[in-house]
Amino acid sequence: AQSVAQPEDQVNVAEGNPLTVKCTYSVSGNPYLFWYVQYPNRGLQFLLKYITGDNLVKGSYGFEAEFNKSQTSFHLKKPSALVSDSALYFCAVRAGGSTLGRLYFGRGTQLTVWP
Amino acid sequence: DSGVTQTPKHLITATGQRVTLRCSPRSGDLSVYWYQQSLDQGLQFLIQYYNGEERAKGNILERFSAQQFPDLHSELNLSSLELGDSALYFCASTPLSGGRTDTQYFGPGTRLTVL
Repeated sequence: AQSVAQPEDQVNVAEGNPLTVKCTYSVSGNPYLFWYVQYPNRGLQFLLKYITGDNLVKGSYGFEAEFNKSQTSFHLKKPSALVSDSALYFCAVRAGGSTLGRLYFGRGTQLTVWP
Repeated sequence: DSGVTQTPKHLITATGQRVTLRCSPRSGDLSVYWYQQSLDQGLQFLIQYYNGEERAKGNILERFSAQQFPDLHSELNLSSLELGDSALYFCASTPLSGGRTDTQYFGPGTRLTVL
């Protein structure tokens, strides 16, 4: 079965500091990994995805994510956090087979960046 | 703006009632996905339609049904509503049938409150 874990419900970081939001996954076959962000009363916005190739993926708003196959992780990172980055972040995975197309989401991590 | 539209934004109704949520995918996208976001269950995949036909089914209750019309918009019908159906309902779309590398773009959601 496919699953995603985001071990931290909350991450707090000071503006200007680097941030990391953690994600681990379990999937049969090759993983296809995604990060989304949700601002209050808004839908999910796509940040970045890993399909294949370079383990470091760059996305929107200065975010990047590192794929680590041996640790089955796909952590989201940003070198310098902004107050405006405060939001709910979701990691998601997709695998092939009969469930082709559907995404499995983690529970989400609330990121708070304080000034 | 993802290009996916959902109406209505908010819906308040009573237990036992029936409601219809509407989704218009991005221009040219053939696949529509429905997800439910609730505090206790997180983000759960409900169902996918591709070019008018059901493609994949997730944790969708028998009281819920969906369809995709020839103009590719989709409707999610929720009947015999219960308090526990209160949630945010999102739809997402992809160009094709949801290939592993396709990014799902989400609409702003419909917030359903069942009283």
